[in-house]
Amino acid sequence: NAGVTQTPKFQVLKTGQSMTLQCAQDMNHEYMSWYRQDPGMGLRLIHYSVGAGITDQGEVPNGYNVSRSTTEDFPLRLLSAAPSQTSVYFCATQPWDRGDEQYFGPGTRLTVT
Amino acid sequence: GNSVTQMEGPVTLSEEAFLTINCTYTATGYPSLFWYVQYPGEGLQLLLKATKADDKGSNKGFEATYRKETTSFHLEKGSVQVSDSAVYFCALINTQGGSEKLVFGKGTKLT
Repeated sequence: NAGVTQTPKFQVLKTGQSMTLQCAQDMNHEYMSWYRQDPGMGLRLIHYSVGAGITDQGEVPNGYNVSRSTTEDFPLRLLSAAPSQTSVYFCATQPWDRGDEQYFGPGTRLTVT
Repeated sequence: GNSVTQMEGPVTLSEEAFLTINCTYTATGYPSLFWYVQYPGEGLQLLLKATKADDKGSNKGFEATYRKETTSFHLEKGSVQVSDSAVYFCALINTQGGSEKLVFGKGTKLT
């Protein structure tokens, strides 16, 4: 039981490049979300999904795309990376009706130059 | 809207000192309150939680009491250890209106 896994752990991109951050969970949780963590800002919600085929925007969605074709996977796409997207990205999952049971992945540290 | 305000860090303490990290919140209704901990290089882990007024969450020697009258959920530990060095986040979920999204404070770094 791996819980929540994220790949890669580290990534450096040039401005304008695109990439996908992967998130996978084996807990059969309906609810998955992506956060970014910046110094002095805490965690901010980017996008979330309440089940396969359903996604919605969070607090800071601009510049990011998501899709949810399976319960297990919730990839985050950066279409054209910008230096402002330099951050640490966390994926989290929870059972749909248990908002007090969030499980976080280990994070992806992204640097955009 | 919902928001969480926690004391700014960093907080530097000697081993065995008493720790308090203040957290206050703004929310309608009755949110659930949480403290998460992030050790260096790792993701967030739930440290403790309280789901109704006057509840006390506790774990690993840390405690926090849900005070509705002061809208607070301060984190305390009687005797900190070097291994407690981490960033601590206060958070809430307010299920009023059907939202299950966590709202985080900005984090407090403890050394």
